[in-house]
Amino acid sequence: GENVEQHPSTLSVQEGDSAVIKCTYSDSASNYFPWYKQELGKRPQLIIDIRSNVGEKKDQRIAVTLNKTAKHFSLHITETQPEDSAVYFCAATGFQKLVFGTGTRLLVSP
Amino acid sequence: DAGVTQSPTHLIKTRGQQVTLRCSPKSGHDTVSWYQQALGQGPQFIFQYYEEEERQRGNFPDRFSGHQFPNYSSELNVNALLLGDSALYLCASSLPPGSGNTIYFGEGSWLTVV
Repeated sequence: GENVEQHPSTLSVQEGDSAVIKCTYSDSASNYFPWYKQELGKRPQLIIDIRSNVGEKKDQRIAVTLNKTAKHFSLHITETQPEDSAVYFCAATGFQKLVFGTGTRLLVSP
Repeated sequence: DAGVTQSPTHLIKTRGQQVTLRCSPKSGHDTVSWYQQALGQGPQFIFQYYEEEERQRGNFPDRFSGHQFPNYSSELNVNALLLGDSALYLCASSLPPGSGNTIYFGEGSWLTVV
């Protein structure tokens, strides 16, 4: 079955810096890779996703890259703001069954 | 995301009891999946329903069962509750199982077993 590894587990940055979170997956059949942001006590909220036929996708300050050969995908957040502080999860799926990474706690200090 | 509704939002049960959680998918979605998220962990897939049948199942015991109704809404039932069942239970909806359909989560049901 699919296995997703996520690094780092904790990431502290200064406001305005960039943040990068990396994930690897094991199942070459996976073709959909969403990223979720989860604030304390709330549900995971989809922030961006990428499909296997695309190498990169950008939405304002957030971008995701996918390397199918290496089975890597990454989340890039530029110009971080304190409200970006949360836990971020990557996930992978080939048939609507999401397998999540272990999460990255991002702390953005003013 | 907006449109996936779950109930109840919070509940407390005693060990050994049974619980039923409910979910209505986003309009236009007919596939419902359930996830368990224990404190400090990522969500874990429980099972998925499509066309009123369980299509996929994660590594959860038979105490966890579900149902999907003709209107695509779904229930998650957990029998013989254990303390370790305390978690956030998330419902996710999407279009039929296929390639890269966006998956949206409801607000979740917080279950505490005492």
